[in-house]
Amino acid sequence: DGGITQSPKYLFRKEGQNVTLSCEQNLNHDAMYWYRQDPGQGLRLIYYSQIVNDFQKGDIAEGYSVSREKKESFPLTVTSAQKNPTAFYLCASRNLGGARPPLGRDQPQHFGDGTRLSIL
Amino acid sequence: DQQVKQNSPSLSVQEGRISILNCDYTNSMFDYFLWYKKYPAEGPTFLISISSIKDKNEDGRFTVFLNKSAKHLSLHIVPSQPGYSEVYFCAASGTNMNRDDKIIFGKGTRLHILP
Repeated sequence: DGGITQSPKYLFRKEGQNVTLSCEQNLNHDAMYWYRQDPGQGLRLIYYSQIVNDFQKGDIAEGYSVSREKKESFPLTVTSAQKNPTAFYLCASRNLGGARPPLGRDQPQHFGDGTRLSIL
Repeated sequence: DQQVKQNSPSLSVQEGRISILNCDYTNSMFDYFLWYKKYPAEGPTFLISISSIKDKNEDGRFTVFLNKSAKHLSLHIVPSQPGYSEVYFCAASGTNMNRDDKIIFGKGTRLHILP
């Protein structure tokens, strides 16, 4: 059964600790993304990767780090430098193949079920 | 500065009537627009999309209209069915010279269906 798996579903972090959120996909998608959602806010892009061993900063990358050593995996580390880490974190993936819009049909992102991170 | 704006944080509609959710965007480079539905503590689920070469796309109960000159799109849901007060997100993407692959999301509109 293909999909995106995020783990754990709930995560607690002590002040000053780094924590890593897992995201695995078996959809053979090229691109993977990390978003953060806060109450009353939309999804804000943290990092994204279009190809293995390459990734780009999103709009709110400070205090976060990622790696893309394998196509199916895109872990996110929330470092101690992230001053307000409590949020709902969403991972997504997307296929980049084929003609792009407006002539081609682009591919939507598929999301995991999220990880809720809280600070103790 | 928000590039994708959903100005109504919530919308209440009578059961069986049409729900119309609105979205505005500012970046003229956007050429692909999507709508997602999200329940609490779950990831968003893709509903429907539209390319900038079209002005309407229909899929079952969902129809999306695009007005490029006004930089406005809307999602029509017919009929409105009771749900769990899910949130609908509008999103947009576009290719630029660097083939940047960002998808920009609005803040969402929570839809309440009244009995």
